Order: sequence, then C-alpha cells, then structure tokens
Amino acid sequence: GAVVSQHPSWVICKSGTSVKIECRSLDFQATTMFWYRQFPKQSLMLMATSNEGSKATYEQGVEKDKFLINHASLTLSTLTVTSAHPEDSSFYICSADEDSLVAEAFFGQGTRLTVV
Amino acid sequence: SQQGEEDPQALSIQEGENATMNCSYKTSINNLQWYRQNSGRGLVHLILIRSNEREKHSGRLRVTLDTSKKSSSLLITASRAADTASYFCATTSGSRLTFGEGTQLTVNP
Repeated sequence: GAVVSQHPSWVICKSGTSVKIECRSLDFQATTMFWYRQFPKQSLMLMATSNEGSKATYEQGVEKDKFLINHASLTLSTLTVTSAHPEDSSFYICSADEDSLVAEAFFGQGTRLTVV
Repeated sequence: SQQGEEDPQALSIQEGENATMNCSYKTSINNLQWYRQNSGRGLVHLILIRSNEREKHSGRLRVTLDTSKKSSSLLITASRAADTASYFCATTSGSRLTFGEGTQLTVNP
C-alpha cells in the first residue's frame, strides 16, 4: 500500500516555542491531507483538512492561528504548533488519500508532542 | 465531533478465542473502514467495506455492515496475543473520515 511518512516521531519542546511536524506521501500524490490529534486512551479527532495550493479547512474549535498548516506541494503538508503550551501535548497523526475513488486513507506513524 | 460509537470499550479474551467489536454511526456513509492502532503508534488500515456491501473477509477478519441499522461489526477469529491493540471504525462521507471511540482488545496468551 501507499506510504505516508511523518516526522519527527516524537518531540519535546519548551512552552512558548513552535514545533513543526511534517507529513509526506512517499509514493503517491495527495491533493488532500488530514491532521488529527489523539489524547491518551481517546479516539482521533480531526483538526483540519490540508488542501494543496489553498488554505486549510479547520474543524470547529481548532485555532487556525495556533495550528498553522501549509500544503505547498502534492507530497508534503506541515503542521506548526505555535506558542506551544502543555495542554497542546498530544499525539498528532496525519493521513493522505491517494485521490482514488475508494477513499482508503494512509496514515503516518504519528508524532508525540510533549510541551514542558 | 465523533459520530461513531464502539462497543465494547474494552475486551479481554484468551488466545484462540474470537473477538467481536461493534460500531454504530449516525449519518449516511460512502464506506466504513476498520483500523488498528498499537499503543502510541500510527494507524494500520485493516479492511474497507463499501456502503453497498454487507460482508467482507480478509484473512482472520470478517466485517459486516448493516446500513439500515447504521452499524458494523469486526470479527477476529482465532485471536493471537499479537492482536492486542486498539481497533477503530471510521466512516467516510465524501473525503472525510470520522472515527469511533475505539475498542481496546487484549488477547491473553
């Protein structure tokens, strides 16, 4: 199946700093990528839909100025957590579709963010 | 908000037994997918069933879909300790995936 690579797999940062997470589709092009957040023992919550060449679509309650999304190419989307706080500590996962009729999403391995 | 509800939330069985997990959803869907997640890891796609399909098999997995009841079940037969993980259903409407709350399956050796 298609491969989605997410980097870094874990990061620890200080409060107030910004962290960038990358999501790459390695062997296919993805006009749409999705960013999810998962708190411990909970399900995935969609944060935003990243659209290549246009602005991301954010879910209700997700601050677009805090979670900056850039989808500059068909194989790369980035999520930047700005001015991170401890409550932003979570597991962030991206996914990408192969733009085929059957929407099987392929997921990155996730990024564990810890803000201290 | 999550539209999928899964039961049970947690399931503990012995190796060799079958495990059944259920998922219910609320809106119309294009298809329904099941994913597996090992602790602290990304998601692995298990199986996809289209809205016009009623049952699908893949290895030890059997998935059913009842669109009239808006529910799906995942059966894992002859379970193994390595099947221990969280299992999520996800419905697709358009290009959007919505995940259920998940079932934590523990298979005891």
